[in-house]
Amino acid sequence: GAVVSQHPSWVICKSGTSVKIECRSLDFQATTMFWYRQFPKQSLMLMATSNEGSKATYEQGVEKDKFLINHASLTLSTLTVTSAHPEDSSFYICSASYRQIEETQYFGPGTRLLVL
Amino acid sequence: GDSVTQMEGPVTLSEEAFLTINCTYTATGYPSLFWYVQYPGEGLQLLLKATKADDKGSNKGFEATYRKETTSFHLEKGSVQVSDSAVYFCALDTDKLIFGTGTRLQVFP
Repeated sequence: GAVVSQHPSWVICKSGTSVKIECRSLDFQATTMFWYRQFPKQSLMLMATSNEGSKATYEQGVEKDKFLINHASLTLSTLTVTSAHPEDSSFYICSASYRQIEETQYFGPGTRLLVL
Repeated sequence: GDSVTQMEGPVTLSEEAFLTINCTYTATGYPSLFWYVQYPGEGLQLLLKATKADDKGSNKGFEATYRKETTSFHLEKGSVQVSDSAVYFCALDTDKLIFGTGTRLQVFP
């Protein structure tokens, strides 16, 4: 089946630094990738949708200058949390799909970010 | 706006017990409905889906029926196994996926 990986699986950083999270589709070409955020005991919240080669579409309330998304190739998307603060601590999950074929999103295992 | 509500967990069962995890939704259109499962340390996996009213999705012994009249998509399994222990997410898709909060299932031998 389709496999999506994320790196790193967890990261601890100091307040004010930037953190980059990678999302890769390992065995298929992802025309669309999605980034979600999950708070403890809450549902996944869609942050943004990115299509390969174009700018990401951010959900209402998500700061595009804080959460930079790049989808430079059909197998890689990155989320950079810029000038991270403790309130950015969360579980970030990506998913990928090849929508011309099917709508199913394939999810990565998530990245836990802790900002001190 | 569109939303999904599912029962809080954890749900704790003995092996071979019957499972029901309730899920109801609110949507202005006619969404597709999904159940995703997340095993420990892994990403979400699609378990089953239904795209229109009265459709029944099924996979690995799990079933859920799209009930438009009650706006529900309850997940059921007749006999759970220890290996079914995971977190289950109900979701709807109009133009994007909207998830419930997840229900943790713990099955003991």
